[in-house]
Amino acid sequence: AQTVTQSQPEMSVQEAETVTLSCTYDTSESDYYLFWYKQPPSRQMILVIRQEAYKQQNATENRFSVNFQKAAKSFSLKISDSQLGDAAMYFCAYFPRGTYKYIFGTGTRLKVLA
Amino acid sequence: DTGVSQDPRHKITKRGQNVTFRCDPISEHNRLYWYRQTLGQGPEFLTYFQNEAQLEKSRLLSDRFSAERPKGSFSTLEIQRTEQGDSAMYLCASSSGTGSFMGYTFGSGTRLTVV
Repeated sequence: AQTVTQSQPEMSVQEAETVTLSCTYDTSESDYYLFWYKQPPSRQMILVIRQEAYKQQNATENRFSVNFQKAAKSFSLKISDSQLGDAAMYFCAYFPRGTYKYIFGTGTRLKVLA
Repeated sequence: DTGVSQDPRHKITKRGQNVTFRCDPISEHNRLYWYRQTLGQGPEFLTYFQNEAQLEKSRLLSDRFSAERPKGSFSTLEIQRTEQGDSAMYLCASSSGTGSFMGYTFGSGTRLTVV
């Protein structure tokens, strides 16, 4: 079965510092997408970053970057220069190419300390 | 277009009552999805529409649940004879069916509380 594991239920980071959120997944597929979504309290899920499995280059979006290790099935999210607005639940999601549904992890709650 | 809209944002209902939620996707998106998110968990897939056709229903969607997407535009999710275990956030999302998959756009969800 395809699964996504986020082993850190909660993380804290000081404002302006860097934090890394972990995600591992299990699949026998070779072609898929990986995503990180941010869900602020009582607000909609927002796409943070997207990675295509056949691309070796790690995706980056401004202060957000990933460390994608395909062989290890690991997909961590690094947030640099953390801001108070980064506080949210972060979900890692796996999406096999050619399908239409995500498999989400259980999420990591990120607290940003002023 | 202001994104994916869901109505209502919150619904409190008594056990045994029926409830209906509405989702308005991004107008040019032909794919629409419903997910359920319980406290402390990630969203779980419920059902998927391509245009007006419902192409898959999760086994999480019992016979008390029904979803429709008439004319391939908005969608409704109805829960009949609600149970306390139905309390959750119900998320709707949409996506384009063309080009490389860029991810869903989610709505803000409908939080259901069954008392």
